[in-house]
Amino acid sequence: AQSVTQLDSQVPVFEEAPVELRCNYSSSVSVYLFWYVQYPNQGLQLLLKYLSGSTLVKGINGFEAEFNKSQTSFHLRKPSVHISDTAEYFCAVSPNNAGNMLTFGGGTRLMVKP
Amino acid sequence: DTAVSQTPKYLVTQMGNDKSIKCEQNLGHDTMYWYKQDSKKFLKIMFSYNNKELIINETVPNRFSPKSPDKAHLNLHINSLELGDSAVYFCASSSGGMNTEAFFGQGTRLTVV
Repeated sequence: AQSVTQLDSQVPVFEEAPVELRCNYSSSVSVYLFWYVQYPNQGLQLLLKYLSGSTLVKGINGFEAEFNKSQTSFHLRKPSVHISDTAEYFCAVSPNNAGNMLTFGGGTRLMVKP
Repeated sequence: DTAVSQTPKYLVTQMGNDKSIKCEQNLGHDTMYWYKQDSKKFLKIMFSYNNKELIINETVPNRFSPKSPDKAHLNLHINSLELGDSAVYFCASSSGGMNTEAFFGQGTRLTVV
């Protein structure tokens, strides 16, 4: 079984400031890792994913994440946020031996202030 | 052209009723899913289905059942609706294999009164 913990339920930040959204996971098997974004009243959109290879993954909208196996973390970062980045962000994992059944964290609401 | 579409977008119904939510994907994916997002935004897998196998999250009540008339559709049937079923239900699909990105629909907000 897998579990995902997003340590911050809300992250307020001023526009153009850097941000980091934290994600830790636990799993008895190897996993793939994902970050999804949910804008108000919308479905989920994939920001980035880690399957294998380089531990630094770049995604859409200027986001990146770094996989740290020893710390079982997959933190999401952006060097300069925009008002339009205000949304709910979900970290998720899926076991790499059994399809794509995602286990999600509780979400982090990013609130970008002018 | 919408990749994963769900209907209806909103559904308000009384306790005890039976309802269905439809999902269609035009991505040619082999596997489809249903997720439930509760009022605290927590997302949980309910079902995973391809033409070979249905995987059910053991916590899902048997009042919930997926029905797949063909590879492009996975409908969700819910019998004897309860207040606690109120949530947003998301359909998703993926191709499986190494490219494990799941594409999500816009969600169906179910309110049981």
